[in-house]
Amino acid sequence: EAGVTQSPTHLIKTRGQQATLRCSPISGHTSVYWYQQALGLGLQFLLWYDEGEERNRGNFPPRFSGRQFPNYSSELNVNALELEDSALYLCASSWGLAGLLPLNEQFFGPGTRLTVL
Amino acid sequence: DAKTTQPNSMESNEEEPVHLPCNHSTISGTDYIHWYRQLPSQGPEYVIHGLTSNVNNRMASLAIAEDRKSSTLILHRATLRDAAVYYCILRAAPWETSGSRLTFGEGTQLTVNP
Repeated sequence: EAGVTQSPTHLIKTRGQQATLRCSPISGHTSVYWYQQALGLGLQFLLWYDEGEERNRGNFPPRFSGRQFPNYSSELNVNALELEDSALYLCASSWGLAGLLPLNEQFFGPGTRLTVL
Repeated sequence: DAKTTQPNSMESNEEEPVHLPCNHSTISGTDYIHWYRQLPSQGPEYVIHGLTSNVNNRMASLAIAEDRKSSTLILHRATLRDAAVYYCILRAAPWETSGSRLTFGEGTQLTVNP
């Protein structure tokens, strides 16, 4: 069974540009989560999507946004990039709210390394 | 989110048991205790979770104190592949919106010596 996939693996942008990161969940999973892992800040929750809707948001500015498509894949967009946005962005998926086990484990992808110059 | 406290680092020898402690004195009655680990250059990986009773799976065991203010992750026979950062996470009940998120702390860096 294929795991969570993310693209691209690496992304280099300059300050002020926009970045788009993509995530494909495990087949059957309807929930997608985004996390940021920056040096010195640890893993921080960004966004949660389920059934196409944003369900919960972490403590990040509005320039961090995303969406979930009908096939449950997801996109994370970061506008007006700042140097401190350089980080590993991790996507995870799980059975969603409609699943039998909503508290089941989250499966993580390998991440996208975003570097802002 | 309720907080957890873990030692920054621990060391073990290969094929010996490892007990990773976690304190969570402000845990609420509906918080689940989750453990994840992150191997070098990889995303986190689920290990185990529990609510009140001790739990076992193929990877590890989770021992939960009777008052639920602490828990211990037990790796029965450490291997070199178990070297990772281990995170103890309190997760709200599924009907709570915040129950979706995993709030990672600093975790415990486990070193396994050959």
